Amino acid sequence: TQLLEQSPQFLSIQEGENLTVYCNSSSVFSSLQWYRQEPGEGPVLLVTVVTGGEVKKLKRLTFQFGDARKDSSLHITAAQPGDTGLYLCAGARNAGNMLTFGGGTRLMVKP
Amino acid sequence: SAVISQKPSRDICQRGTSLTIQCQVDSQVTMMFWYRQQPGQSLTLIATANQGSEATYESGFVIDKFPISRPNLTFSTLTVSNMSPEDSSIYLCSVYPGPYNEQFFGPGTRLTVL
Repeated sequence: TQLLEQSPQFLSIQEGENLTVYCNSSSVFSSLQWYRQEPGEGPVLLVTVVTGGEVKKLKRLTFQFGDARKDSSLHITAAQPGDTGLYLCAGARNAGNMLTFGGGTRLMVKP
Repeated sequence: SAVISQKPSRDICQRGTSLTIQCQVDSQVTMMFWYRQQPGQSLTLIATANQGSEATYESGFVIDKFPISRPNLTFSTLTVSNMSPEDSSIYLCSVYPGPYNEQFFGPGTRLTVL
């Protein structure tokens, strides 16, 4: 059983569409990260959120940390083929603790 | 952040043999991690490698199968021993320099066992 549940697992959309990926847990996290992994590469850190209710924007990507620090979402506006990849959320229960990874969301954006 | 390299980037190995994967970091870090990522799946932590002490293995992973070395603060190796096709995966090392448990990953080693 995944401590962090990501949904959806797979998403195939057309260029220009919007999408949201969810990362949910029954546990509280002190921090949560989102990573993107492209084929043949390791995961690359996109953002870290640490405060309940925090919203961070990275160009067309918007990340939100839930008020209770149990869940997070990633919203992509006007998706582009370059957004294609595996998106992973990962949380830490306390500073210095190991990361727990969600199951991942595989996104394909078709031109 | 940290720049991490891994060798080899990929390999095809025969059943029963062993492969040692190297991970080099461009700065000194206390904690290094080894993960396995099976095709189409998320990351599973194999072990944590701290310099000067034995590696700490996660449930389901044992030292005899995945021996780890950590001779200094910038380098680690993971050996996959007595390989079987089920060991075919991407193996990733990462480091943990961030204040909020952020990890930075190497490019991975894609292993295929025939």
